[in-house]
Amino acid sequence: AQSVAQPEDQVNVAEGNPLTVKCTYSVSGNPYLFWYVQYPNRGLQFLLKYITGDNLVKGSYGFEAEFNKSQTSFHLKKPSALVSDSALYFCAVRDGPNQGGKLIFGQGTELSVKP
Amino acid sequence: GAVVSQHPSRVICKSGTSVKIECRSLDFQATTMFWYRQFPKQSLMLMATSNEGSKATYEQGVEKDKFLINHASLTLSTLTVTSAHPEDSSFYICSAPGTAREAFFGQGTRLTVV
Repeated sequence: AQSVAQPEDQVNVAEGNPLTVKCTYSVSGNPYLFWYVQYPNRGLQFLLKYITGDNLVKGSYGFEAEFNKSQTSFHLKKPSALVSDSALYFCAVRDGPNQGGKLIFGQGTELSVKP
Repeated sequence: GAVVSQHPSRVICKSGTSVKIECRSLDFQATTMFWYRQFPKQSLMLMATSNEGSKATYEQGVEKDKFLINHASLTLSTLTVTSAHPEDSSFYICSAPGTAREAFFGQGTRLTVV
């Protein structure tokens, strides 16, 4: 079965510093990996995805993620954090290659960026 | 990008009453819609998958008679929480799969049962 794990419940970063939110995955075939962000009392917003191709994926709001097959990781990164980046971040894997397949989410990581 | 509109964003209801949450795909057709439940600062738990024109598929442990799902058209799916109780208070989110494999989410509905 497909699964993702986010080992950190919370990440604290000072504004202007680089940030990393960790995600590891377990899949039986080719991974289809996603990052979403959630602001309080809102739905999820898509940040980026890895389907195939370059291991470094660039997404919205300056975020990027690196797919590492040997370490089965897909960590989310940003070179310089903003206070407005503070939110709940979810890593997800699609359950199968079917475009209609459901997403399986990690536990979520709360990112706090302090001025 | 595609837009999924969820309504209402917040609802407060009395115990024993029913509440309907609507999820619409505004500029695309969604043959499938996923319904999630989320507790504070926790992950999304998939409750059920609705399919246009057929019965919804419920995840293990989700009461079918309590959480009624209807996918009446290619642009509308509804979740009705029947005979609501305080323990049903939660954040409910719908999502539809996109054409490029990512999913599009509604804004969520904060349900409070008093």
